[in-house]
Amino acid sequence: EVQLVESGGGLVQPGVSLRLSCAASGFTFSSYEMMWVRQAPGKGLEWLSYIAYSGSPTMYADSVNGRFTISRDNAENSLYLQMNSLRVEDTAVYYCARREWLAGGAFDYWGQGTLVTVSS
Amino acid sequence: EIVLTQSPATLSFSPGERATLSCRASQSIDNQLAWYQQKPGQPPRLLIYDVSNKATGIPARFSGRGSGTDFTLTISTLEPEDFAVYYCQQRYSWPITFGGGTKVEI
Repeated sequence: EVQLVESGGGLVQPGVSLRLSCAASGFTFSSYEMMWVRQAPGKGLEWLSYIAYSGSPTMYADSVNGRFTISRDNAENSLYLQMNSLRVEDTAVYYCARREWLAGGAFDYWGQGTLVTVSS
Repeated sequence: EIVLTQSPATLSFSPGERATLSCRASQSIDNQLAWYQQKPGQPPRLLIYDVSNKATGIPARFSGRGSGTDFTLTISTLEPEDFAVYYCQQRYSWPITFGGGTKVEI
């Protein structure tokens, strides 16, 4: 069974850093491109970042480019999102998602999400 | 950036009715559009990819169509579990973008 489990969220003050993790199981992690997507409270979905199979290339939304860094450890079946200089507007549930090219490159599996709250 | 517009934001139906949701792209995205369903407290669930292909396990009452800039998701007969928020998403160009969502309510 495919599983994606995010962790690392919490309540932090503006300006600090946080690292999210996504533990993957039930599939060959290194064979899939991965994404981070977030959802602010009561709002829609916002794509944040992409990482290729081996870790390069990566892509970012303008809203996080230069502040967030996506990475992966295929040996550990894990995806990461390093978030620096956090802002109040980064408050959201953060999801990792798997990209499946047999499903047209759509995101066929999602984790349950981890909540990041940025507040003073 | 390609903007996806889903309107209206909320649609009201009764169980058993037919629902058609709209998604309009700010420029042509070929057939590179997917639809997701999201229920409260849950992650999104992939319904449709490449405009009209159903994801694994998706019931036959869900269908998608369209091309270029205008797309629709149709639920032929609404079941109680179909009341949720629906998002379209394009992968034609970076950044990947989602529509603002349409809530299907009773």
